[in-house]
Amino acid sequence: QVQLVQSGAEVKKPGASVTVSCTASGYTFTDHYIHWVRQAPGQGLEWMGWINGDSGNTDYSRKFQGRVTMTRDTSISTQYMEVHSLRSDDTAVYYCARGSYSDPYYFDSWGQGTLVTVSS
Amino acid sequence: SYVLTQPPSVSVAPGQTARITCGGNNIGRKSVHWYQQKPGQAPVLVVYDDSDRPSWIPERFSGSNSGNTATLSISSVEAGDEADYSCQVWDGSSDPSVVFGAGTKLTVL
Repeated sequence: QVQLVQSGAEVKKPGASVTVSCTASGYTFTDHYIHWVRQAPGQGLEWMGWINGDSGNTDYSRKFQGRVTMTRDTSISTQYMEVHSLRSDDTAVYYCARGSYSDPYYFDSWGQGTLVTVSS
Repeated sequence: SYVLTQPPSVSVAPGQTARITCGGNNIGRKSVHWYQQKPGQAPVLVVYDDSDRPSWIPERFSGSNSGNTATLSISSVEAGDEADYSCQVWDGSSDPSVVFGAGTKLTVL
């Protein structure tokens, strides 16, 4: 079955960077987009951007452009999201989510989430 | 940016039908998707393309979309349906292009 397994929780200081990984299994990695969505404590879901598993092309929300980098390694079916210049309001659970095959802009499978805490 | 408006909370007795709305400008022209999220868990897709259900979702979950309002309906509500429900659309002409509603907390009385 489809699985997205994310890396573990992180604690970072303001100004630092963090990289979250998302390893896919159970499907053809290059057939799907992977999106990154975050959720601050007690808040709703916020979309950050996507990466095309085949081409590696990306699209970011303007809010995160210049501060977020999404990459992938097709040899190990893993996507990465790096957030630079962390602030306290970046504290959130970060999810990777697979875009469906028929429409890449809804999410039919999600990772378990990675808590990133930014604190001095 | 495109805005989706959901009520913060909806309450329903077991066995009744819950209806959760998602408002947006001409949302009837877009495809709406719905996610269920229980505390401490990742979201799960429950309805896509306005009214289609993934194979793992029971028929009790249904959706509709017209005009300025999309609706997720859950019939014969069970205690296990208590969760947050969020709607989502893609709007390629706005930023961000993927938008979520703020979520609705469904309480089963």
